[in-house]
Amino acid sequence: AQSVAQPEDQVNVAEGNPLTVKCTYSVSGNPYLFWYVQYPNRGLQFLLKYITGDNLVKGSYGFEAEFNKSQTSFHLKKPSALVSDSALYFCAVRVLDRGSTLGRLYFGRGTQLTVWP
Amino acid sequence: ETGVTQSPTHLIKTRGQQVTLRCSSQSGHNTVSWYQQALGQGPQFIFQYYREEENGRGNFPPRFSGLQFPNYSSELNVNALELDDSALYLCASSLEEYGYTFGSGTRLTVV
Repeated sequence: AQSVAQPEDQVNVAEGNPLTVKCTYSVSGNPYLFWYVQYPNRGLQFLLKYITGDNLVKGSYGFEAEFNKSQTSFHLKKPSALVSDSALYFCAVRVLDRGSTLGRLYFGRGTQLTVWP
Repeated sequence: ETGVTQSPTHLIKTRGQQVTLRCSSQSGHNTVSWYQQALGQGPQFIFQYYREEENGRGNFPPRFSGLQFPNYSSELNVNALELDDSALYLCASSLEEYGYTFGSGTRLTVV
């Protein structure tokens, strides 16, 4: 079965410190992986994706993520956190429907990131 | 280039009623998918439409149905509303297989 796990419900970090939000996945075939951010009462904003190629993916707002196939992980990172980064972060994996070239996203439960000034 | 627009933004319905949510996809995107995000949960896939036909469905009962129109906009209909249908409903449009643009969602409350 396809699944995405975000083992931490909350991550707290001081402004200026590096941050990591963890994600592991279980999917058959090659994974397409995504990170989205959600601010209160808003939809999902795309941060970055991994399809193929370099394992280190750079995205919006200074975020990056590292794909690790052996550990089936796709952790989100940022070298220096900002208070404005405080939000809910979702990891997702795209799974192809059988017999189709289209797919659906499976999401983790989300990790609430709080950056303290 | 416009993004994904959803309407209404908020909605309150009574148990047993029917509701229609609307989504205008991003310009040029021909695929629309719908997700339900219950409080404290990640979004769950409801179904997807490609060129006006349903193409993939999640674990939701038949009272959840949809449409896609020739301009690629879409509707989500839910009949016989239940309290557990209270959630944020997200629409996402895409053109390539793996690029998804989400709308801001419709917050549905069933009382």
